[in-house]
Amino acid sequence: GESVGLHLPTLSVQEGDNSIINCAYSNSASDYFIWYKQESGKGPQFIIDIRSNMDKRQGQRVTVLLNKTVKHLSLQIAATQPGDSAVYFCAESRNTGNQFYFGTGTSLTVIP
Amino acid sequence: KAGVTQTPRYLIKTRGQQVTLSCSPISGHRSVSWYQQTPGQGLQFLFEYFSETQRNKGNFPGRFSGRQFSNSRSEMNVSTLELGDSALYLCASSSDSTNTEAFFGQGTRLTVV
Repeated sequence: GESVGLHLPTLSVQEGDNSIINCAYSNSASDYFIWYKQESGKGPQFIIDIRSNMDKRQGQRVTVLLNKTVKHLSLQIAATQPGDSAVYFCAESRNTGNQFYFGTGTSLTVIP
Repeated sequence: KAGVTQTPRYLIKTRGQQVTLSCSPISGHRSVSWYQQTPGQGLQFLFEYFSETQRNKGNFPGRFSGRQFSNSRSEMNVSTLELGDSALYLCASSSDSTNTEAFFGQGTRLTVV
């Protein structure tokens, strides 16, 4: 959804476990979604994307699931590693160019 | 392929001054978008330029402006700086299409004192 909020949701997982990060969006016109990873002091890094005509897309150790009925997006990270510790954002676009609306982000901490 | 390059990385300005930030997109990309990132508001869209024309604009005051050159490089300008303009300014580069991957630069950290 559009970015509002002062508090960052947090998620802590043990190294080797799977992580699931969730995102809700509000606009039914949203038809393209991207997950980004942002490490401290760096810009957001593209992880994986999905279009609204798909329900699932897989990458290397990552899977994105899209449920358009409830306007929900999730990112699954398999075998989470310490290097996965970062803030993760979902972003949505509405076929109006490359204007993206970002979620508030989730801070993932991987415990060795 | 070189990524998105933003300069400078850090800036300190005084209230009332103006500032210009620069972004060089990925080679071949013609769309450049700008975002402001703050702890309180998160990532907010400022504007997008495509082929030297502003294609989309966010909800920011007119003090925030931008432009794009024929080589796709873009600049954004903030005039009459306020303390609340302190933020990380991020530039994203996309190819010709709409709704396509956007790749970010490292950002420019602006501090207004």
